Amino acid sequence: DTEVTQTPKHLVMGMTNKKSLKCEQHMGHRAMYWYKQKAKKPPELMFVYSYEKLSINESVPSRFSPECPNSSLLNLHLHALQPEDSALYLCASSPGDPRSVSSDTQYFGPGTRLTVL
Amino acid sequence: AQSVTQPDIHITVSEGASLELRCNYSYGATPYLFWYVQSPGQGLQLLLKYFSGDTLVQGIKGFEAEFKRSQSSFNLRKPSVHWSDAAEYFCAVGAYGNQFYFGTGTSLTVIP
Repeated sequence: DTEVTQTPKHLVMGMTNKKSLKCEQHMGHRAMYWYKQKAKKPPELMFVYSYEKLSINESVPSRFSPECPNSSLLNLHLHALQPEDSALYLCASSPGDPRSVSSDTQYFGPGTRLTVL
Repeated sequence: AQSVTQPDIHITVSEGASLELRCNYSYGATPYLFWYVQSPGQGLQLLLKYFSGDTLVQGIKGFEAEFKRSQSSFNLRKPSVHWSDAAEYFCAVGAYGNQFYFGTGTSLTVIP
């Protein structure tokens, strides 16, 4: 089973709202990722968690706050977003340790389509 | 610096015709190469990957790709395209720390 699940599928929020995106994987993967994808563009890396610790933050604004409560779950907390933050948010996981020198396959979830009004 | 180039932004093919999507990479070490497919509004699905060994890699849905080190290429091929193959295709190189560098994508349209 190589499934990554994400909820909700769609989310509409106002600029003053607080919401959260959720990602789960039960493959025993040690690394989890958040990406942001605009239409017709490749995914852009936001955060990487390795063994439940934040290892990479690609200079993402503080209105995005990631959390990794356990090895299977990754959250992205959203607060005071801007309309330009509207995008498809993708979660991914990979078996290997991102701190290693090699690379590994990333398995992506279906994404959450976020619209900020 | 690591980078991936997909020269074709958009390709249109007839159903049943053959397909080749181009991917060129720039990476200083042995590359880990991937092709993903994305249907509208969906996540990325892994088609195939190359880490080492045989340079011709078979993937899902009848796709294959050939790694050519001398040309820094990893082109994706399919002998006979189906209407359901219409999607966005991304080539990626996996670098140190498992960071992915994606190409800009190629949008495939299949006409009946």
